[in-house]
Amino acid sequence: RKEVEQDPGPFNVPEGATVAFNCTYSNSASQSFFWYRQDCRKEPKLLMSVYSSGNEDGRFTAQLNRASQYISLLIRDSKLSDSATYLCVVRGAYGQNFVFGPGTRLSVLP
Amino acid sequence: DVKVTQSSRYLVKRTGEKVFLECVQDMDHENMFWYRQDPGLGLRLIYFSYDVKMKEKGDIPEGYSVSREKKERFSLILESASTNQTSMYLCASSPVFNTEAFFGQGTRLTVV
Repeated sequence: RKEVEQDPGPFNVPEGATVAFNCTYSNSASQSFFWYRQDCRKEPKLLMSVYSSGNEDGRFTAQLNRASQYISLLIRDSKLSDSATYLCVVRGAYGQNFVFGPGTRLSVLP
Repeated sequence: DVKVTQSSRYLVKRTGEKVFLECVQDMDHENMFWYRQDPGLGLRLIYFSYDVKMKEKGDIPEGYSVSREKKERFSLILESASTNQTSMYLCASSPVFNTEAFFGQGTRLTVV
């Protein structure tokens, strides 16, 4: 089993749609959780960190369920510019490596 | 603003050459990482360094070595480049505690 798993995708949605991404992780000692966005042929960039209480940034909402080892990302009112690959990332305790999920590609269609 | 800079965006090398990929960060981060990214395989860790002169193997270290003589610089070395090392190479840095990784712009290496 991979350490971090995501929906295989791709997701093709119309503008204005709400889309949800799911992620599970296998290492219960993981301490930090993130969603990154990667545009085609570019480097990954942080979209948002994910906290136990859940957090929201404009149209984006992230949730963490430590008991189920599950992370989610919700995008509301999708824009064409949201088209990208979304990477779920977890990190262990002090100074440990970041583990990346395989990513889920999103295409928002006009 | 954190800046992670990789020495080349695109590189073409011949089979058997020794290849150096350089990465520099300007935020005094302790941790630095080298990943490669291939279609369908995602980002895979080659090596990471948690301090100067300290390094740990990642998931796919074979055929690679690294050097970290100064805190801001982390070099990836392909001892004898092979065609199966054609890939996108991404360098990242982070502080030790619970903050995100910051990536360089990537080096697309082609070995012919």
